[in-house]
This record gives sequence, C-alpha cells and structure tokens, in this order.
Amino acid sequence: QAQLVQSGSEVKKPGTSVKVSCQASGYTFTSYGISWVRQAPGQSLEWLGWISAYNGNRNYAQKFQGRVTMTTDTSTSTAYMELTSLKSDDTAIYYCARPLWGYAYIDWAYWGQGTLVTVSS
Amino acid sequence: QPALTQPPSVSGSPGQSVTISCAGTSRDVGGFNRVSWYQQSPGTAPKLIIYEVSNRPAGVSDRFSASKSGNTASLTISGLQVEDEADYYCSSYTSGSSIIVVFGGGTKLTVL
Repeated sequence: QAQLVQSGSEVKKPGTSVKVSCQASGYTFTSYGISWVRQAPGQSLEWLGWISAYNGNRNYAQKFQGRVTMTTDTSTSTAYMELTSLKSDDTAIYYCARPLWGYAYIDWAYWGQGTLVTVSS
Repeated sequence: QPALTQPPSVSGSPGQSVTISCAGTSRDVGGFNRVSWYQQSPGTAPKLIIYEVSNRPAGVSDRFSASKSGNTASLTISGLQVEDEADYYCSSYTSGSSIIVVFGGGTKLTVL
C-alpha cells in the first residue's frame, strides 16, 4: 500500500524559506508524479505544482513561480518542496499527493499527513 | 478566490440524497474530462472519491456518484449516512499558459 510521510511542523519568520519533505513507500517512486497542495486555515485547497519522480520535470502554478522549487531524491524516494520569501498568508498545511496512475497532475489517491507551516514574526 | 464555484453548505437527513454542484468554465470543467472530487473530514487529508468526472476508486461506496454537463460538474451522495458529514471539494484541470489544477471553494455537508 502506497504511503507518503511528511516532515514535521515548521514555524518561520517572514522573508525566510521552508523546505518540506515527503517520503514515499510501498510503490515504485519513479513511476509516478507528486503534486503539492496547500490549505490555509479554514480555506479551500490550492495546487502549488507537480514534479515527475522519473525525470524531475516540473510544472508550477503561475502564482508560485519564482518562489517554489520542487525536487526529488530517488535514492531515498523522497520529494521536497521549498517555498521562499515567506509571507503570513503562506501559513497553511502543505500536502504532498500521488495520483492514481502515473504522472497525472490530478486524481490524487494518496496523500501525506500534511505539514503545518506557520509564518509569523 | 477559488476558480470553481461550489455551494458553501448543503444538508440532508440520513437516507436522503444530496447533490453538490461545481461550476466552472469551458477552460476547466467544460474543457476536460478530468474533474475529481475529494472528501475531507476535520483534521485529515482529503480523500479521493471520484476521478475523471464519474469514476470511483476501489473501496469508495457506490452511494457516491458524479457527472458533468457543460461547465458544471455534480456529485450526488445517496442514502446519506452520518459518516458522510465532511467537506467536499471538486478539482479540475484548467488551460492557460500551462495545464494547471484548480479547486472549488468546498462544500460543507451536514447530515441532520
């Protein structure tokens, strides 16, 4: 059974960066893409972008281009999402998610447990 | 501001059916057969309940069904159960400078 386990909560100051990890198990890591989705308190979901674990191809939401970097480490089956120049409205739970099949950008059947990132001075 | 429009809340009694709409445009819901629905209970990650407009993943109850007409997708939950009380989100591919994913604002289902 596929499983995604994320790193723990973070508290960051405005202007700094955060890097969240997402370790996959129970499936062939390089056969799927990983998306990152966030949810601000009491708000809806927001897609940050996607990365292929096969070749590292990326597609970022336009809103986050220039601030987000997604990477993978195939040796440890881990995906990373780094967000820079943090602002208070980046406070949210950040999820990694894997699709049902292959490299789809959507149809996420497997989710990490979420990582709370709090941005506060 | 979410790109897709959902009603903020719906409610129903056990055993009844409810339908949640998800209104988009020809650039998202109407333009792709890639609408999915997620159920989220408090403090948990979303759970995929519908993919590709109307397909259920293995293990999801057949009380959940969905469809699309034009630019609007719909999720119907029949035979409501107390455990169905949750937030429901739709999502879709959208076209722009690159294909991206958009969400609805979410609908809180209350089972009375």
